Amino acid sequence: GQQVMQIPQYQHVQEGEDFTTYCNSSTTLSNIQWYKQRPGGHPVFLIQLVKSGEVKKQKRLTFQFGEAKKNSSLHITATQTTDVGTYFCAGSSGNTGKLIFGQGTTLQVKP
Amino acid sequence: NAGVTQTPKFQVLKTGQSMTLQCAQDMNHNSMYWYRQDPGMGLRLIYYSASEGTTDKGEVPNGYNVSRLNKREFSLRLESAAPSQTSVYFCANGRGSTDTQYFGPGTRLTVL
Repeated sequence: GQQVMQIPQYQHVQEGEDFTTYCNSSTTLSNIQWYKQRPGGHPVFLIQLVKSGEVKKQKRLTFQFGEAKKNSSLHITATQTTDVGTYFCAGSSGNTGKLIFGQGTTLQVKP
Repeated sequence: NAGVTQTPKFQVLKTGQSMTLQCAQDMNHNSMYWYRQDPGMGLRLIYYSASEGTTDKGEVPNGYNVSRLNKREFSLRLESAAPSQTSVYFCANGRGSTDTQYFGPGTRLTVL
């Protein structure tokens, strides 16, 4: 069945460094969504990408959807301690009609 | 608007006990979901309901049952709790099965 894989599982960075998490699907996706979960909290929707090659920005966060619509990335420029948490990608395809979550990347930021 | 509410927030059970986790939404969304989250395992789908009156198994349904009581409510029942069911349980909803999902605050369950 459809699988969505995320790497890395964990990332520790110094405050001010950049951070990137990657999401790869075994099948072509209709859309990709990104969520953030703060420690002790619940996942919160960040953004959705739909078009091949799409790039969207939210302040220091840049989201990309691959040309083949099978991969995506989230890049954070100059991390801050408020960026700490787990970032999940979630993709859906026409075949499954479901949203499948990746395992998440947990980001720790050292001040 | 509360969005998605879950009760209880915390629960401790003994092995073999039963309990029902409650979830309610005021967003008028069709789809509702139950996930469990364990360290290093991400979010695993237990059951989902695409619309009122329908339920389907997700990735890890064993040991659980669900009930979509009406459009607002989707409950998760553990008939005979086991230590392996110690986890954080999230309820979520969405307009459709591939749309944005909105999560409740979670229930932290410990089974001794």
